[in-house]
Amino acid sequence: DAGVTQSPTHLIKTRGQQVTLRCSPKSGHDTVSWYQQALGQGPQFIFQYYEEEERQRGNFPDRFSGHQFPNYSSELNVNALLLGDSALYLCASSRRGQGKNQPQHFGDGTRLSIL
Amino acid sequence: SQKIEQNSEALNIQEGKTATLTCNYTNYSPAYLQWYRQDPGRGPVFLLLIRENEKEKRKERLKVTFDTTLKQSLFHITASQPADSATYLCALDGYYGQNFVFGPGTRLSVLP
Repeated sequence: DAGVTQSPTHLIKTRGQQVTLRCSPKSGHDTVSWYQQALGQGPQFIFQYYEEEERQRGNFPDRFSGHQFPNYSSELNVNALLLGDSALYLCASSRRGQGKNQPQHFGDGTRLSIL
Repeated sequence: SQKIEQNSEALNIQEGKTATLTCNYTNYSPAYLQWYRQDPGRGPVFLLLIRENEKEKRKERLKVTFDTTLKQSLFHITASQPADSATYLCALDGYYGQNFVFGPGTRLSVLP
């Protein structure tokens, strides 16, 4: 049973560029959340997708956008990259139908470095 | 704004002892509190969930308490082992409309 998979594992970009990160949820899960984790800090919630719509959003600018596909996989897009966007980007999946208090299953993240 | 604090950035204990990690929060009314373990270069792994109306939850060597009056959760690892060395994160989950919020984490080192 495959868990949450993310690609790529590492990425290097320069300021001003755009990036797309991808996530496949755990089998049987329909909800995908994205987090940004700076070095030495806890993950910060970016947004959550369910039924191909953004359901909740954290305190992140519009440069951060996402998409969920019919097969529940998801993409995170970041435009006009800033040095401060350098972080580990984590994807987590869960089953919304079982209620909101579901444990989240995380992938190992994409390490994004901005030069 | 919502704020979560975890007792310290790092905690060193001797093998066999009980590790106790603290999670305090303000400006949040959680319905649930979760604890995760994160190893270097890996994503967080779910350990335990406790609801607002539960005082204590146990799983093998792990125990979590939740005091909504004190706005605090304690996470205990008994008979600690070097393999328990990792960063432990607490996370709050509220009712619909409230975002999932993680604490900064405590890095636990169990010394042989």
